[in-house]
Amino acid sequence: AQTVTQSQPEMSVQEAETVTLSCTYDTSESDYYLFWYKQPPSRQMILVIRQEAYKQQNATENRFSVNFQKAAKSFSLKISDSQLGDAAMYFCAYRSSTSYDKVIFGPGTSLSVIP
Amino acid sequence: DGGITQSPKYLFRKEGQNVTLSCEQNLNHDAMYWYRQDPGQGLRLIYYSQIVNDFQKGDIAEGYSVSREKKESFPLTVTSAQKNPTAFYLCASSIETGLGLAELTGELFFGEGSRLTVL
Repeated sequence: AQTVTQSQPEMSVQEAETVTLSCTYDTSESDYYLFWYKQPPSRQMILVIRQEAYKQQNATENRFSVNFQKAAKSFSLKISDSQLGDAAMYFCAYRSSTSYDKVIFGPGTSLSVIP
Repeated sequence: DGGITQSPKYLFRKEGQNVTLSCEQNLNHDAMYWYRQDPGQGLRLIYYSQIVNDFQKGDIAEGYSVSREKKESFPLTVTSAQKNPTAFYLCASSIETGLGLAELTGELFFGEGSRLTVL
């Protein structure tokens, strides 16, 4: 069974600085999706960034980028130029590309942004 | 605007009562999901449905029931058999069928959630 691990329950970053959130996963599949979701205090979960496993190029979305290491099964999220609005819970998630019935979430990392 | 609507946002229940959480989507998505969120445990899948009139148990289905009579709606009933129902419940949907791998994003779209408290 697939598992997703986030080893940092809490992180903090100074405004305008860069922070990296860690995620590792375990799977025997070769094709899959990886996601970072953000859940701000308002509670609605939104997608931050997505990576297809067959793509070697790391995904980027404005200030958000990932470091995808397929062999190491690692999928870290880098937030550059951190803003107060980045404060939230961040969940790493795995989804098989052949079995759409489940998305496996990590336990989450709570990110605080210090003004 | 398209999206997912969950209601109510807050619900209080006495022990022994069944309660139903509503989830409606106008995204024309095929699949819908219910997750339970507890502090420090991430999201755990309760039930999911890929098509109308069909649904499957997730990892923690005991004490819960669902129905999928319409594509847009996927209500969750928390029954008295659920021993620890106090939690935050999230409904989600995704596009699932009729598309090739290149077109599927795999992304889940979430509602704002419902917080259930048992008194």
